[in-house]
Amino acid sequence: EIVMTQSPATLSVSPGEGVTLSCRASQSVNNNLAWFQQKPGQAPRLLIYDASSRASGVSDRFSGSGSGTEFTLTISSLQSEDFAVYYCQQYNNWLRTFGQGTRVEIK
Amino acid sequence: QVQLVQSGAEVKKPGSSVKVSCKSSGGTFSTTTISWVRQAPGQGLEWMGGIIPLFRTSHYAQKLQGRLTITADESTRTAYMELSSLTSGDTALYYCASGASSKDWGQGTLVTVSS
Repeated sequence: EIVMTQSPATLSVSPGEGVTLSCRASQSVNNNLAWFQQKPGQAPRLLIYDASSRASGVSDRFSGSGSGTEFTLTISSLQSEDFAVYYCQQYNNWLRTFGQGTRVEIK
Repeated sequence: QVQLVQSGAEVKKPGSSVKVSCKSSGGTFSTTTISWVRQAPGQGLEWMGGIIPLFRTSHYAQKLQGRLTITADESTRTAYMELSSLTSGDTALYYCASGASSKDWGQGTLVTVSS
């Protein structure tokens, strides 16, 4: 099983600031990596797929990069609606795995 | 646009089984990956397993092997997740998701296991 490790666990950020979230895979997942945003009481929402492609309707404030084992999600100029939990998931093979999540909270 | 509608909340006794459905509309069902993901209260997301309806072969997370069965009915565009030998540790919100990168999600089904 591929283990996905996200860091940090929590980020305290002021509105308007930018942040970078990290996701590391225990072995290469090529670019088969997605990022999801989840708000309380809601289903996860796909933000980024194939490591760097934005899903339909996602703000260009969100960008993804990386390949192999190291990935980042960057959110520029955080808006109030961006405070949420973010998960990465690898889908390089059928045994897909999620990271444990990074909570982005208001400072 | 794919829409996924899941069956309603369930309350089950320990040791019993639960079967949750996920009906898809829009898009292509037969050749699309359907994944099942669960989220225990206050916890993160856990991938459980998945299927491509056309191929009918299901894949399961190791920890759920032997207890989890995922099937799909192409005629009704519905996927199913059945989990047996339930314990309190299976209490969670269960989601289905469509697409290789899980682009579209159902609304979630709360399964509560309690004596």
